[in-house]
Amino acid sequence: EAQVTQNPRYLITVTGKKLTVTCSQNMNHEYMSWYRQDPGLGLRQIYYSMNVEVTDKGDVPEGYKVSRKEKRNFPLILESPSPNQTSLYFCASSFEAGEPPYFGPGTRLTVT
Amino acid sequence: QKEVEQDPGPLSVPEGAIVSLNCTYSNSAFQYFMWYRQYSRKGPELLMYTYSSGNKEDGRFTAQVDKSSKYISLFIRDSQPSDSATYLCAMRNTGGFKTIFGAGTRLFVKA
Repeated sequence: EAQVTQNPRYLITVTGKKLTVTCSQNMNHEYMSWYRQDPGLGLRQIYYSMNVEVTDKGDVPEGYKVSRKEKRNFPLILESPSPNQTSLYFCASSFEAGEPPYFGPGTRLTVT
Repeated sequence: QKEVEQDPGPLSVPEGAIVSLNCTYSNSAFQYFMWYRQYSRKGPELLMYTYSSGNKEDGRFTAQVDKSSKYISLFIRDSQPSDSATYLCAMRNTGGFKTIFGAGTRLFVKA
């Protein structure tokens, strides 16, 4: 089954404790991205990757890091989480940058 | 001003009604338009994908783009309770690789 998977699906953590949210796709997609979704603000892009070892900032990259060492994986790293990073996070992928993104199931993160 | 504006609702309609969901945008360079449906606790799923102006129909769903007014619509005919979800519009320009999303309209279809 073609899919984007994210882990964990739910995470509660404390300020400053480093965490990683994993994302994997099995569709051989070139383009991957991370979004956060907040009430009233919609989906905002955090980082994107055009291909392996090629990443760039989206609209709200502060406080986040990413890496793309393999085509299928695109982890999101929060080195020192803060309460304003409490949000619903989505990983997405598409065959190429211009195609509509295909979303994962989401990760609900709470930082206390 | 946001690039894409979408009324958050909620919009509540009886089963069988025709639903009209809308977005306005400010960037005249947008050429590709999308509608996503998002159920509670799920990721957005692509419903419709259109290029430039005109209509596109898929089953009970019709997407309409009016570039002269910078206005897009999604019509749902014979709405069902299973259509209850948040609907997100999205768009991007030719050659661009970033998709801009509206904040979403929450729809309730009552049986």
